[in-house]
Amino acid sequence: EIVLTQSPGTLSLSPGERVTLSCRASQSVSSNYLAWYQQKPGQAPRLLIYGASSRATGIPDRFSGSGSGADFTLTISRLEPEDFAMYYCQQYGRSPHTFGQGTNLEIK
Amino acid sequence: EVQVVQSGGGLVQPGGSLRLSCITSGFTFTNYYMMWVRQAPGKGPEWVANIKGDGSEEDYVGSVKGRFTISRDNAKNSVYLQMNSLRADDTAVYYCARGGAVGDYWGQGTLVTVSS
Repeated sequence: EIVLTQSPGTLSLSPGERVTLSCRASQSVSSNYLAWYQQKPGQAPRLLIYGASSRATGIPDRFSGSGSGADFTLTISRLEPEDFAMYYCQQYGRSPHTFGQGTNLEIK
Repeated sequence: EVQVVQSGGGLVQPGGSLRLSCITSGFTFTNYYMMWVRQAPGKGPEWVANIKGDGSEEDYVGSVKGRFTISRDNAKNSVYLQMNSLRADDTAVYYCARGGAVGDYWGQGTLVTVSS
């Protein structure tokens, strides 16, 4: 199965800052089938990005995804207070459709 | 408005069985794969299984193959997860979501605890 490694594990930042989260796959992700989710405590994951760079419905344009092959990034251009949460990447190019272990984005 | 509402879950002994249910509304159910994703305490999500819109194809993560069965009733816009031979490491919050791998609408989650 494809293993996804997210870095860093935890990030402490302030509102208004720009942040880039990394997701590296153990092998190339076919057709850039890579998604990003946001999850807050006690809630289900919320889809942000699919196909590596396409924003899901209703997602603000401060969220952007990029990358190809085995290296992907999620960028938040200007952090809002509601953006502090866990972020997970997921590959869906090959079953099982594995998730990364997550990056915890916390308020500094 | 798309809605995904789960039921079922609870405490079960090792080796026991449990059935999770998920009823949906607000979209053409047969047009979509549905899936189950679980999340153990303090861990990232884990994709568990999916089923095609017409119910003709299913897929599972290796750790549940032969123990879990995903099914759907298109007349009731519902999807199910039958879990047998449950183990302690199946303890998790289980989510139902629209999609085969990428979930755009999710249920509220239901806790399954496997313990004696």
